[in-house]
Amino acid sequence: QSMLTQPPSVSGAPGQRVTISCTGSSSNIGAGYNVHWYQQLPGTAPKLLIYNTNNRPSGVPGRFSGSKSGSSASLAVSGLQPEDEADYFCQAYDSTLSGSWVFGGGTKLTVL
Amino acid sequence: QVQLQESGPGLVKPSETLSLTCFVSGDSINNYYWNWIRQPPGKGLEWIGYIYYSGTTNYNPSLKSRVSISLDTSKNQFSLRLSSVTASDAAIYYCAASQVPDYYDRLHFHSWGPGTLATVSS
Repeated sequence: QSMLTQPPSVSGAPGQRVTISCTGSSSNIGAGYNVHWYQQLPGTAPKLLIYNTNNRPSGVPGRFSGSKSGSSASLAVSGLQPEDEADYFCQAYDSTLSGSWVFGGGTKLTVL
Repeated sequence: QVQLQESGPGLVKPSETLSLTCFVSGDSINNYYWNWIRQPPGKGLEWIGYIYYSGTTNYNPSLKSRVSISLDTSKNQFSLRLSSVTASDAAIYYCAASQVPDYYDRLHFHSWGPGTLATVSS
């Protein structure tokens, strides 16, 4: 059971906007900690998509954006493209026990 | 941009120790936290731990009793040892780099190796 909860799947048509949620608790997102997002294309390693809640690394399209409110965070993908079909994972610091970095269970984004 | 490549035996027997190595190129090994992360096939990601060039380590509390991460700066590589493995340790193991954060919650994984599959079977 992941400490960060994501929906197993979301879908949208090309050109549409979709959001992926990541729900945590008072020991991680709810404590005000940053959230980071990764994209994993089939058969490849994860790739950093958003860091420190709402920052994009160089080379990541502006169609991807992140936000946070309370104990939840969201990844928005606008202007969906076929190449956006992938698994998406959120990640945050958790202060339980001696502290560690935790991931969400992942969300499969399907472009219809 | 730093580049990483994992290596190690793909098959480990139950109760034995899994040993993997990650070779680093493209930047100084002194500049980052070096992490191991794993992913059982078809499942989510789990952070295992990191090491810094100073020798500082930090491990996932759920694995701490079985994990050791070491660093060889002369060879530009770092290694993972996971003891007493069971079937639940079968996964793709990734090595990944993190910029040294000013706060714990800013730690994220900006560069990843392609991953190596570790199978546990007798």
